Parts: sequence; structure tokens; C-alpha cells
Amino acid sequence: AQSVTQLDSQVPVFEEAPVELRCNYSSSVSVYLFWYVQYPNQGLQLLLKYLSGSTLVESINGFEAEFNKSQTSFHLRKPSVHISDTAEYFCAVRSGGQGGSEKLVFGKGTKLTVNP
Amino acid sequence: NAGVTQTPKFRILKIGQSMTLQCTQDMNHNYMYWYRQDPGMGLKLIYYSVGAGITDKGEVPNGYNVSRSTTEDFPLRLELAAPSQTSVYFCASSSGTDNSPLHFGNGTRLTVT
Repeated sequence: AQSVTQLDSQVPVFEEAPVELRCNYSSSVSVYLFWYVQYPNQGLQLLLKYLSGSTLVESINGFEAEFNKSQTSFHLRKPSVHISDTAEYFCAVRSGGQGGSEKLVFGKGTKLTVNP
Repeated sequence: NAGVTQTPKFRILKIGQSMTLQCTQDMNHNYMYWYRQDPGMGLKLIYYSVGAGITDKGEVPNGYNVSRSTTEDFPLRLELAAPSQTSVYFCASSSGTDNSPLHFGNGTRLTVT
């Protein structure tokens, strides 16, 4: 079965500093990878996804993630964070083949706290 | 722009009581899901549905039941509440294509004492 490891449960950073949230997944022939973000008292929302093609994917608010097949990683990065980026971030993976989001496996989450 | 709506937002139950968590979506999505979120544990899939009249178990279905009589609604039923069911419950929907994003409601925070 597929598994996802988010190595850091909490990441505190100062505003305008760079940040990297780490995500590793168990190997599979083909995978689809996702980052979801959860702001306080809200549900999750999709931040970005890798399905195929370019290994670097970007979101509209400055986050990017790079699919690294040899390292089985999909780390999330942002060069300069804002207070409003404070949230919990979930990495998720789905193996290729039949089926839909019922096959999605979520990591345990990383709480990003941006301090002034 | 309602999306996925969950009610209630909060609920406290006594052990052994029953309740139904409501979920409705207005996006005409075929696929709907129920997750529970526990601190530091991520999300676990309870039940899902690929269309009206069709439901299936997820990773942690014990103690829960669902039904899907319409495309819009996907209620989750707890028959005999237990302290282990204290959690935040999220309903989500998707259009059902392979990698279409999940759209989440804002959650129901349930405490069983």
C-alpha cells in the first residue's frame, strides 16, 4: 500500500524567510502527487499537483514543488513567506491505475507558522 | 458559491447516543467522501460514494453508516457514539475524473463524552 511521510510536524519561520516542507512517498511505478492546504477552521483546498510532464509545478500564490522520482520526494517550497501562509499543509499521493480519490493517501500534515 | 456544506459545525454527544452529520454539495459532483481528521494523524477515509445509490467502505468504516439517495446529499450516521469517535469530520466531493481535486466542507467538530 502507498504511504506518505511528512518529516516535520511543525515548521516555524519568520516572515519573508524561505521555507521547505518535506514529503516522501513509498515507491510505485506511477504516482500522482498533491499538496493541500488547510487554513484555521476550514477544510482542505488543493494547492498544487503533479500528474505528468514537467517535474516542477507551481501554485498561484508563489509555492512550488518538485517531483523527484529517484528520491521519491515531492517537497514544497516558497522563497519568501507571508503571515497569511500560516496553515497546515498536507502532502497526498495516489497510485496510477483505475480508481479515483478514494485511493488518495494523505500525510500527517505539517503546521507552518509564520512569525512577524 | 456554496460548494460543500456541512452541518452542524459543532456537536457534543454522550456515549451511546446517535446522530447524523449532514453534507450537501451544489456542484453536481458524482463522487463524495467522508474523512475524519485527528491531531497529528492526517485524514482517514471513512466511506465514499461514486454516485447516487452506490457507497463503499474506506479505511476506517467501523461505527459509521452512510447513504446516498441523491447526487447532492451524503449523510454520515453514527449509531452508538464512542469516545474514539471524537474527531473533526470532513465531507468532500469531486467530479470523479481521475485526478480532479477534492472540494472540502468546513468540517464538523464532534466530541463524545
